[in-house]
Amino acid sequence: SQQGEEDPQALSIQEGENATMNCSYKTSINNLQWYRQNSGRGLVHLILIRSNEREKHSGRLRVTLDTSKKSSSLLITASRAADTASYFCATDAGGNKLVFGAGTILRVKS
Amino acid sequence: DAGVTQSPTHLIKTRGQQVTLRCSPKSGHDTVSWYQQALGQGPQFIFQYYEEEERQRGNFPDRFSGHQFPNYSSELNVNALLLGDSALYLCASSLTRGGRYTFGSGTRLTVV
Repeated sequence: SQQGEEDPQALSIQEGENATMNCSYKTSINNLQWYRQNSGRGLVHLILIRSNEREKHSGRLRVTLDTSKKSSSLLITASRAADTASYFCATDAGGNKLVFGAGTILRVKS
Repeated sequence: DAGVTQSPTHLIKTRGQQVTLRCSPKSGHDTVSWYQQALGQGPQFIFQYYEEEERQRGNFPDRFSGHQFPNYSSELNVNALLLGDSALYLCASSLTRGGRYTFGSGTRLTVV
């Protein structure tokens, strides 16, 4: 079974707009990671946020973590057509494994 | 610096057959994990290997087994294939102390 849920399941926006995806999880974690997957191929690591961090930035990406609500959000600013992909959050609870959500499918229209 | 390499890229097998998938980890990584991703779902953890031993296992039957070699490369074996085993199999490497994982491009297994 999967750790949590991503919301929304699918998101369609225009190029230049911002995209926000949310992730909820169930157990205490060491860190939470976001990955991108293009066309059912390999996962690309985007960003890792530790349980004692609340916000992290990487280029056009902004991730927040609220451990009291067991939730995280990924914001992609000024989206591009190349950002079209599936996005997954994954939690690391220290058990030598990542537990993934079901993902958000993002489509950026040019 | 090569990332994670998986082979083969695609594979078609018949029900009841056995399959072996291969993974070479990123240079410098010593831990290999395997994940199964069914269509439209997130990856599910199968197991993790470190120092040639299975260190952690997910909720998968014994038909799924693995191996890690002294050079840290790994194999995933699936026996008595079922139609439901059709999926993308992903290998991820990491350092044992944890942190970020590097994923390969996956092997697409189709069982007919």
